[in-house]
Amino acid sequence: EPEVTQTPSHQVTQMGQEVILRCVPISNHLYFYWYRQILGQKVEFLVSFYNNEISEKSEIFDDQFSVERPDGSNFTLKIRSTKLEDSAMYFCASSGQGDRFRYFGPGTRLTVT
Amino acid sequence: DAKTTQPPSMDCAEGRAANLPCNHSTISGNEYVYWYRQIHSQGPQYIIHGLKNNETNEMASLIITEDRKSSTLILPHATLRDTAVYYCIVRVDQTGANNLFFGTGTRLTVIP
Repeated sequence: EPEVTQTPSHQVTQMGQEVILRCVPISNHLYFYWYRQILGQKVEFLVSFYNNEISEKSEIFDDQFSVERPDGSNFTLKIRSTKLEDSAMYFCASSGQGDRFRYFGPGTRLTVT
Repeated sequence: DAKTTQPPSMDCAEGRAANLPCNHSTISGNEYVYWYRQIHSQGPQYIIHGLKNNETNEMASLIITEDRKSSTLILPHATLRDTAVYYCIVRVDQTGANNLFFGTGTRLTVIP
């Protein structure tokens, strides 16, 4: 069964550093998403991406965040200058044309110290 | 802004059916009921969805009341691997739309 993959599984970084979280969506999918989940809290939407541009973003997705699909397979989330409160699980998801549901990746645990 | 209400936790004996309720009394005519689950900090996993008819797939059954104000997810023979947080979500069925909002869900514990 096709699956979304994410790397790394765990990233530790110091406050103020830039991090890039990587995702490989399912190959024929067209819609891509990032969600995050702070420990013990809800899964929260960050951003959706379609046709090489952001289609929607939440208020969490401020100027410190950016997304990119640098080639035909990867989808990345960059946090420019990490803060302690960015510590969370980050989930990538994708869906295909006509798909009614999303496939989520296993997540990257980001720890900011 | 929660559109659904779920009990915070439930237990179920292994091998028995797990029945997870969800209230969505303000559901609109074009909104579907979706169920996802999240096993211990893994990514959410789609289970099933429906509009008004009951639905069944290899994972579960979804029973939606005639007035569509509530539904029940049924795992017919719960296993220990079904221990997870189960999310009931109502949304307009639109590809790519950002209307997949996760609440706090029901934490199901399957007991040996």
